[in-house]
Amino acid sequence: NAGVIQTPRHKVTGKGQEATLWCEPISGHSAVFWYRQTIVQGLEFLTYFRNQAPIDDSGMPKERFSAQMPNQSHSTLKIQSTQPQDSAVYLCASSLTGKGERLFFGHGTKLSVL
Amino acid sequence: GQQVQQSPASLVLQEGENAELQCNFSSTATRLQWFYQHPGGRLVSLFYNPSGTKHTGRLTSTTVTNERRSSLHISSSQTTDSGTYFCAIDDTGYQNFYFGKGTSLTVIP
Repeated sequence: NAGVIQTPRHKVTGKGQEATLWCEPISGHSAVFWYRQTIVQGLEFLTYFRNQAPIDDSGMPKERFSAQMPNQSHSTLKIQSTQPQDSAVYLCASSLTGKGERLFFGHGTKLSVL
Repeated sequence: GQQVQQSPASLVLQEGENAELQCNFSSTATRLQWFYQHPGGRLVSLFYNPSGTKHTGRLTSTTVTNERRSSLHISSSQTTDSGTYFCAIDDTGYQNFYFGKGTSLTVIP
């Protein structure tokens, strides 16, 4: 079991460009979560899917951020027109049912917007 | 949403000393987890402990839900324990976990 896999590990974009981040949850896990980690803000919840359906996106910036889960084996987080303040480590996690058990995190994608 | 306060913000120990990390939260939590993150590493769940006391190796987690607090005790610290420890709370039932700012632990030989 390779755990939660996130790609790429590092991504550098220019201001205004689009960034797509990928997450492969642990096989058999039905819940996928996205978090953002910065020094200043710490860990912030972004969005959450269960059985591929969006459950809670209350943490997502509304205008430029979107997340999809087209199948049970991967989820994407897309940031349009990236801004320097989007620079962060984006973390994906999965859990077995999404109803209250341990979260398993990937290594994260470090996004740097120049 | 939940407010999660962790203390201390940082801690330096001599190898072999014990550590006590605290987590206080603003409303009754339905679920609580402690995580460990090595610098540059992934977050690893140490305990899923909504109430009571749990042990694993040199680590003990105690959560007192009605007092809105949890603690993580590390006994006989080792240099490999160095890293950041996070407390995370979910009170919504949807597993939208709110994280504290973490406690940075440095264990020196």
